[in-house]
Parts: sequence; structure tokens; C-alpha cells
Amino acid sequence: GENVEQHPSTLSVQEGDSAVIKCTYSDSASNYFPWYKQELGKRPQLIIDIRSNVGEKKDQRIAVTLNKTAKHFSLHITETQPEDSAVYFCAARRTNQAGTALIFGKGTTLSVSS
Amino acid sequence: DGGITQSPKYLFRKEGQNVTLSCEQNLNHDAMYWYRQDPGQGLRLIYYSQIVNDFQKGDIAEGYSVSREKKESFPLTVTSAQKNPTAFYLCASSIVIAGSGETQYFGPGTRLLVL
Repeated sequence: GENVEQHPSTLSVQEGDSAVIKCTYSDSASNYFPWYKQELGKRPQLIIDIRSNVGEKKDQRIAVTLNKTAKHFSLHITETQPEDSAVYFCAARRTNQAGTALIFGKGTTLSVSS
Repeated sequence: DGGITQSPKYLFRKEGQNVTLSCEQNLNHDAMYWYRQDPGQGLRLIYYSQIVNDFQKGDIAEGYSVSREKKESFPLTVTSAQKNPTAFYLCASSIVIAGSGETQYFGPGTRLLVL
């Protein structure tokens, strides 16, 4: 089955710096890769996603890149701000006989200090 | 996100007791999911359902049970067989589109504590 590894588990940056979070997946059939942001005590919220037919997607300060050959994808946040501090989760869509489901990485706690 | 509700916000379970967590959505989504969140463990899939009256075990289904009698509702029962139930439980729903990605929307969560 699908397995998603996420690194680093914690990341501390200064305001204005860039932050990069990397994930690898095991199932070459996976074709959908969302990223979620979870603030303390709140529900995860989708911030960006990418499908396997594109290599990069950007939305303002956030971008995601996908390397299907190497089976890894990354989240890039530029010009970080204190409000970017949160836990970020990557996920990959798993499809089997039972149906489809998202398999999540263990999360990265991002701290942005001003 | 406001279309998915979970109750209660906090739930206390006594030893040997079964408890049920509620999840309701008014988004007309076909699929619903239950995740368990522990510190440093990410979101682990417990059960999921793609259509009414059908559900599948996720990666950590032992000690849990679900039902899907209505499209809008997907309750999760934490049974006495679950020896370490203390966690934050998240429900999610999504549209099922064949061959495409499916954005999952999460409820606010229920925190289960053992007395």
C-alpha cells in the first residue's frame, strides 16, 4: 500500500526566509498530492494540491513541485510570515479495490519568528 | 468547512465503555472518512465510505466501528477493544470523481479522553 514520508518534522525560519518541506511516496500509481495546513487546535485546511500531469503549481507565496520519476513532491513557502506558523501535512491518494483514500505524512511543524 | 460538523467537541470515556462520535455533512459529498491524530503521528485513516451502506477499513480500524446509513452521516464508535483511545478524531468528506483528485474537507474534530 501507499506510504508517505515527510521531512523535516520541525522547521524554524526567520520571517522573510523561505521554507521547504519534502515528501516521498511509494505507490507509483498515486496521482493526486494535496497539502494541508493545521493551526493549533483547528482543523486541517487545504492550501494547495497538484495532480500527476503537471510538475509545478504556484499560488502567491506557496508552490508545490512534483517529481514523478523520483516519487517525491515538495512545498515551498516564500517570504514567510508569522501567520505561516502551523503544522503542514502532505498526502498522496491511494487507490485499491476498496476505493480511494488519502494517506498522510506525519507532519512538519513550521515556526516563523519575527 | 462549515458544512461538516462533529460532536461533541470533547468526550470522556470510562474504562470498558463504548462511545460514539458524530459526523454530519450537508455538502452532498459521496465519500466520508475518519482519521485519528496523535502528536507526531500525522493523520491515520480509521475507516472510510465511498457510498451509502458501504464502508472500508483503513490502516488502524481495530477497536473501531462505523455505519453509513445516510449520505449525510458517518458515526464512529470507539469500542472497549480500543485500548488507547485518547486522541483527536477528525472526520472528512469529499466528492468522488473517477480519475481525478478529491479535495477532502475536514470537520472541527472531537477530542476523546479516557477517565
